[in-house]
Amino acid sequence: GQNIDQPTEMTATEGAIVQINCTYQTSGFNGLFWYQQHAGEAPTFLSYNVLDGLEEKGRFSSFLSRSKGYSYLLLKELQMKDSASYLCAVLNRDDKIIFGKGTRLHILP
Amino acid sequence: KAGVTQTPRYLIKTRGQQVTLSCSPISGHRSVSWYQQTPGQGLQFLFEYFSETQRNKGNFPGRFSGRQFSNSRSEMNVSTLELGDSALYLCASSLDYTNTGELFFGEGSRLTVL
Repeated sequence: GQNIDQPTEMTATEGAIVQINCTYQTSGFNGLFWYQQHAGEAPTFLSYNVLDGLEEKGRFSSFLSRSKGYSYLLLKELQMKDSASYLCAVLNRDDKIIFGKGTRLHILP
Repeated sequence: KAGVTQTPRYLIKTRGQQVTLSCSPISGHRSVSWYQQTPGQGLQFLFEYFSETQRNKGNFPGRFSGRQFSNSRSEMNVSTLELGDSALYLCASSLDYTNTGELFFGEGSRLTVL
């Protein structure tokens, strides 16, 4: 079966750092995506990892370990506008993108 | 550059009816995929079209169907609507196959089935 697990909700403080974890068990692996979705809006692309390691893009970084079926999204210097849902998604061997249920991140002032 | 456009944005139907949703991808994008989003299940893949051909299909019943036209615009149809079909239906486009790049999502069509 296909399974992507991520925490349902997280809370962090403005200016802090937060790490959102994602574990996956899918039929094959061809890459992992992170998307951000603000309430009532469309998801927007954040990152794509296909090889092990850390990809950094400004305040956001994404890490992948294929052997452990694990990824995390690291958000630094949190801002109020970072309050959103963060979706982890895996491209499996059938070229289907399987999404996790998302992590709702609340930022406190 | 215009984004992905979905119509209608909101609609209400009753059980047993059918519905057609439309998606216009970003100009030049050839791949269109459809997702159903519900609070309980998150985003679930429905199907993907590329060059007017269904390239991939998720695990939804045959009541869910779609097509893509020569200008890359896509439609999806749900027949014999059930209460459980109430959801946000998102369309996403990409330049090529979805496995080669990021997806650009539309704002979605919110379907309520009464």
